[in-house]
Amino acid sequence: DGGITQSPKYLFRKEGQNVTLSCEQNLNHDAMYWYRQDPGQGLRLIYYSQIVNDFQKGDIAEGYSVSREKKESFPLTVTSAQKNPTAFYLCASSSTLGLYNEQFFGPGTRLTVL
Amino acid sequence: AQSVTQPDIHITVSEGASLELRCNYSYGATPYLFWYVQSPGQGLQLLLKYFSGDTLVQGIKGFEAEFKRSQSSFNLRKPSVHWSDAAEYFCAVSSNTGKLIFGQGTTLQVKP
Repeated sequence: DGGITQSPKYLFRKEGQNVTLSCEQNLNHDAMYWYRQDPGQGLRLIYYSQIVNDFQKGDIAEGYSVSREKKESFPLTVTSAQKNPTAFYLCASSSTLGLYNEQFFGPGTRLTVL
Repeated sequence: AQSVTQPDIHITVSEGASLELRCNYSYGATPYLFWYVQSPGQGLQLLLKYFSGDTLVQGIKGFEAEFKRSQSSFNLRKPSVHWSDAAEYFCAVSSNTGKLIFGQGTTLQVKP
């Protein structure tokens, strides 16, 4: 089955540590996205990528980094510079970046800072 | 700037009752609109989308939505709610940069 996988489902981090969240898709989509979800705030875009080896900052990129070395993979690193990283993180993909932008979502990773 | 407003943060309906979730958007050109549903601790699933044509669109799980340009609305409806419909619902509009702009979400609770 085609889809998006995210791992791990739950992640615990100590303050000052960097952690990397995995996102893989086998939909052959060009565009991929990372969102952060906090209660009552909807989804906020962290980073997105239209094509391999290219990515752009979203609305809340500070304290995060990404890479896009392969079409199917778009890992997100939450760095120690992110002051409040506890949240639910969602990865998504779409065939292209455009107005007909139907995005498909992974199951999410819940990150908790201890 | 484009934006999406879901006026109702939380809605409770009885099982079998009808449902309408409100969504208002702000967008200068023809909007491309979506409704997504999220079960607790899960990702988002697309319920339906509107690009053009018939203003009443049908989606999965018995949901439908009506696009009303004059009211800048895209409300989601279901004639008879099931307990399994309890979830969070997000309306979104595709911006002119190709990114999705989401509303804050509406949490639906279903009473037995």
